[in-house]
Amino acid sequence: DQQVKQNSPSLSVQEGRISILNCDYTNSMFDYFLWYKKYPAEGPTFLISISSIKDKNEDGRFTVFLNKSAKHLSLHIVPSQPGDSAVYFCAARGGAGGGNKLTFGTGTQLKVEL
Amino acid sequence: GAVVSQHPSRVICKSGTSVKIECRSLDFQATTMFWYRQFPKQSLMLMATSNEGSKATYEQGVEKDKFLINHASLTLSTLTVTSAHPEDSSFYICSGGGTANYGYTFGSGTRLTVV
Repeated sequence: DQQVKQNSPSLSVQEGRISILNCDYTNSMFDYFLWYKKYPAEGPTFLISISSIKDKNEDGRFTVFLNKSAKHLSLHIVPSQPGDSAVYFCAARGGAGGGNKLTFGTGTQLKVEL
Repeated sequence: GAVVSQHPSRVICKSGTSVKIECRSLDFQATTMFWYRQFPKQSLMLMATSNEGSKATYEQGVEKDKFLINHASLTLSTLTVTSAHPEDSSFYICSGGGTANYGYTFGSGTRLTVV
């Protein structure tokens, strides 16, 4: 049962344009959502998060939007840069058992082209 | 911020042997650490939660006797893959420290290859 889903396995965007990465979830008990960037053979790097009681959080080039009624969130990166090319994971905190354990989505490979 | 150091970064072992992976919290005391596993091109899956001074909590489907977790101090959690088989080959990552607002910290991961 995949509680967090990223339906786009890959995304290609031109440098300077906006990248939009999407994530859907099924468990209404999740209380925080986090986005991580990951390179092969490395641990994930935190980008931005949002509480389930908010609908938007912004940090520099990164903005996360949460639509709780639709159980959907998205990460916007603008402007996109070649260095943003990586796999992006959406993660949700909470659910069964609670605590700080995270449930990860399947990831989206972002490629920012020159 | 919280820093997590994970070693080794990669290890190759023979079938039937055991491998220990260490995860250290460098600048904070970790009462809880999380161990994840990632297969190629797949998601990170939580395997278990290690608790300092007590037994680890395993996720459904994870074999406790195969993946031994020890969290004997506030700065060290270890994962031992016992009697390793080729299907145990994977990328193992630990996590500890941090917050939801500023992000939970992950180690750099361990690439395990069982031959």
